Amino acid sequence: GAVVSQHPSWVICKSGTSVKIECRSLDFQATTMFWYRQFPKQSLMLMATSNEGSKATYEQGVEKDKFLINHASLTLSTLTVTSAHPEDSSFYICSASGSSLYEQYFGPGTRLTVT
Amino acid sequence: DAKTTQPPSMDCAEGRAANLPCNHSTISGNEYVYWYRQIHSQGPQYIIHGLKNNETNEMASLIITEDRKSSTLILPHATLRDTAVYYCIVGSSNTGKLIFGQGTTLQVKP
Repeated sequence: GAVVSQHPSWVICKSGTSVKIECRSLDFQATTMFWYRQFPKQSLMLMATSNEGSKATYEQGVEKDKFLINHASLTLSTLTVTSAHPEDSSFYICSASGSSLYEQYFGPGTRLTVT
Repeated sequence: DAKTTQPPSMDCAEGRAANLPCNHSTISGNEYVYWYRQIHSQGPQYIIHGLKNNETNEMASLIITEDRKSSTLILPHATLRDTAVYYCIVGSSNTGKLIFGQGTTLQVKP
């Protein structure tokens, strides 16, 4: 089956620093990738949609200058949380779709803690 | 995107069928019904999707009412490993965007 990986699985950083999270589709080409954020005991919230070679489309209320998304290849998308603050601490999850958007394959998530 | 309504929690005995309902009364003609589940602290897992016909795969069955305003996900023989939050999502295949609601926490008990 389709596999999506994320790296790192968890990260702790200091307030004011930037953190990059990678999302890779291991055995298929991901035309579209999605980034979600999930706070404890809450549901997933879609942050942005990225298509390979195009600028990401952000959901309302998500700061594009704070959450930089790059989808440079069909197997890799990155999310950079710039100038992180404690309120950015969350579980960040990516998903990827191949030629069909009917099925999305989710990564295992990255837990970010900002101190 | 149409919204969905699910019961917050359900219990099911191990080995029994788990029937998870979902209401999506504002679904539009080109929107699909998707089901995903999330086991604690993991990424969601795709289960099944459908447009208007009932669907079955190795994991589950999806029953969609004729008016498409509601659906039921059926896990035929629930196991302890099926304990998870189950999300019913309505969305267009054009964008692939999935807007997650609060889902149903299914607890499978021995």
